Amino acid sequence: DAKTTQPPSMDCAEGRAANLPCNHSTISGNEYVYWYRQIHSQGPQYIIHGLKNNETNEMASLIITEDRKSSTLILPHATLRDTAVYYCIVRVEGSNYKLTFGKGTLLTVNP
Amino acid sequence: AAGVIQSPRHLIKEKRETATLKCYPIPRHDTVYWYQQGPGQDPQFLISFYEKMQSDKGSIPDRFSAQQFSDYHSELNMSSLELGDSALYFCASSLPPTPPEAFFGQGTRLTVV
Repeated sequence: DAKTTQPPSMDCAEGRAANLPCNHSTISGNEYVYWYRQIHSQGPQYIIHGLKNNETNEMASLIITEDRKSSTLILPHATLRDTAVYYCIVRVEGSNYKLTFGKGTLLTVNP
Repeated sequence: AAGVIQSPRHLIKEKRETATLKCYPIPRHDTVYWYQQGPGQDPQFLISFYEKMQSDKGSIPDRFSAQQFSDYHSELNMSSLELGDSALYFCASSLPPTPPEAFFGQGTRLTVV
């Protein structure tokens, strides 16, 4: 899997949008960008994934730059329960390839 | 909806003992992954199985072994336990090629004393 780079920590006020960046400058053409989060020692939870188009689901939005070298995960209205470590992972879709977790971002949502 | 079930949730073992962790994937999921997460660390991939065959191997110690059975559940066997094996062990399952996400269990917390 290509390597990703994320800031180690970020803070966000409750109710505001949280924008989590990720750099993946060596991403290959057939690799997708996945986002997972882990809330305090629970099992990691899938959030969203995309290839090159922006994606939105009930949890978040994913914005991928045109050159695909970076992306941003957006939590539109962060709540205290969104406090977690967020992992950006690149992976080939449609395979049983493992998810390789790097150093994620600890997002702390403050009241 | 059914999720990935791991047992036991907590396990305490002494050094040099053996432990067996079990993982029951979501029904119809044919791929299982095992991860180890030490204190303050990120999850590290250990091993995976697809259709009961080992599909990938990560940083799994030789003292550990795993297999996937005919009903797709998987077991991680850990022998000659060391203090450094104390960690959270997560199992995940998926059904390639769709859905694309892997679903994780709640983990087994192993403490070696």
